[in-house]
Amino acid sequence: QQQVKQSPQSLIVQKGGISIINCAYENTAFDYFPWYQQFPGKGPALLIAIRPDVSEKKEGRFTISFNKSAKQFSLHIMDSQPGDSATYFCAARGEGGSNYKLTFGKGTLLTVNP
Amino acid sequence: GAGVSQSPSNKVTEKGKDVELRCDPISGHTALYWYRQSLGQGLEFLIYFQGNSAPDKSGLPSDRFSAERTGGSVSTLTIQRTQQEDSAVYLCASSFGGAPYEQYFGPGTRLTVT
Repeated sequence: QQQVKQSPQSLIVQKGGISIINCAYENTAFDYFPWYQQFPGKGPALLIAIRPDVSEKKEGRFTISFNKSAKQFSLHIMDSQPGDSATYFCAARGEGGSNYKLTFGKGTLLTVNP
Repeated sequence: GAGVSQSPSNKVTEKGKDVELRCDPISGHTALYWYRQSLGQGLEFLIYFQGNSAPDKSGLPSDRFSAERTGGSVSTLTIQRTQQEDSAVYLCASSFGGAPYEQYFGPGTRLTVT
């Protein structure tokens, strides 16, 4: 059973455009929702994260929108740049009392064309 | 400062052989995680070490997989009698503690079983 569903699988955006990646979760015990960015040959790195008591968090060009009632959250990348081309993973933490365990989506490969 | 390091970066082995993958966490981090990243899949939790507590082995896919952490620092993930389905990138992460501390990932070991 996939606990965090991520879409789309891949995304192509023109430079300057907005990239939007969506995730949905099932377990209401999740209490922390991070997004990770991974470049080829590197490990994932935390990009931005949100807790369910807020509906939006913005850091520079990156924004998380969170809809608790719908159990959905999304990453918006404004003014997308070629350097943003990477794989993005959403995740959720807090399953089954294991508050350290991250459950990941399957990832979105973002390509930003110059 | 130094990040999480993993060795080897790539490992090719024949089906049925045993392999050992090493992780050196960030100095001072008491928590250590192993994840598996298969092609087109998200990161799959394998095992969690926190200080001197018993590890959470709930994510290990079979009894061919085992891990240890010596002296609260370096960790080794061992896969016995490797199978082709074990081919994946194995990622290690460390953090100052369990939740809510950020997990810092190493670059991973790409394992190919022929």
